Amino acid sequence: GENVEQHPSTLSVQEGDSAVIKCTYSDSASNYFPWYKQELGKGPQLIIDIRSNVGEKKDQRIAVTLNKTAKHFSLHITETQPEDSAVYFCAASMGAGGTSYGKLTFGQGTILTVHP
Amino acid sequence: GAVVSQHPSRVICKSGTSVKIECRSLDFQATTMFWYRQFPKQSLMLMATSNEGSKATYEQGVEKDKFLINHASLTLSTLTVTSAHPEDSSFYICSASFTENQPQHFGDGTRLSIL
Repeated sequence: GENVEQHPSTLSVQEGDSAVIKCTYSDSASNYFPWYKQELGKGPQLIIDIRSNVGEKKDQRIAVTLNKTAKHFSLHITETQPEDSAVYFCAASMGAGGTSYGKLTFGQGTILTVHP
Repeated sequence: GAVVSQHPSRVICKSGTSVKIECRSLDFQATTMFWYRQFPKQSLMLMATSNEGSKATYEQGVEKDKFLINHASLTLSTLTVTSAHPEDSSFYICSASFTENQPQHFGDGTRLSIL
């Protein structure tokens, strides 16, 4: 099955700096890659996603890049703010067909701390 | 945007009790709902996938008789932890999507503590 590796496990930055979190996946059939932000005691919140027919996607301070050949994708947060502090998860999902259709495989998570 | 409501948010009960957790999609019809389990400081582990009107598909190692899932309507799925024991204590989270190939939106989870 799919395996998703996420790095780093913890990331500490100063307010205003950029933060980058990287993930690799194992199954070339995966074609959907969402990123979630999870705050303490809450469920994950979808912040951005990308499909395999796109190399990059941006939404204000957040961007995601995808390299299908290398099977890795990254989350970029610019101008970080203290409220960006949370646990971030990447995930991968396969396309149509097969019993894995639609199922997300999550990375291990990154604890991001933004210091004022 | 898509809102998923999960209830209750916290349950504390005695060993041997059965506990039901509800997951509702409030502003869209969810053909597919997923149930996850998350241990402290760990990632989300998929337990099962439920499609409206059909039996749930359980992940390897998840006891279907222990974790009963019902997806009776396009807006409601329930997870019942039967005869719960301390080792079942965990954070249970549901997600819902319009179809299997659409983004999953998560509820805020249920903290289950079995004494």
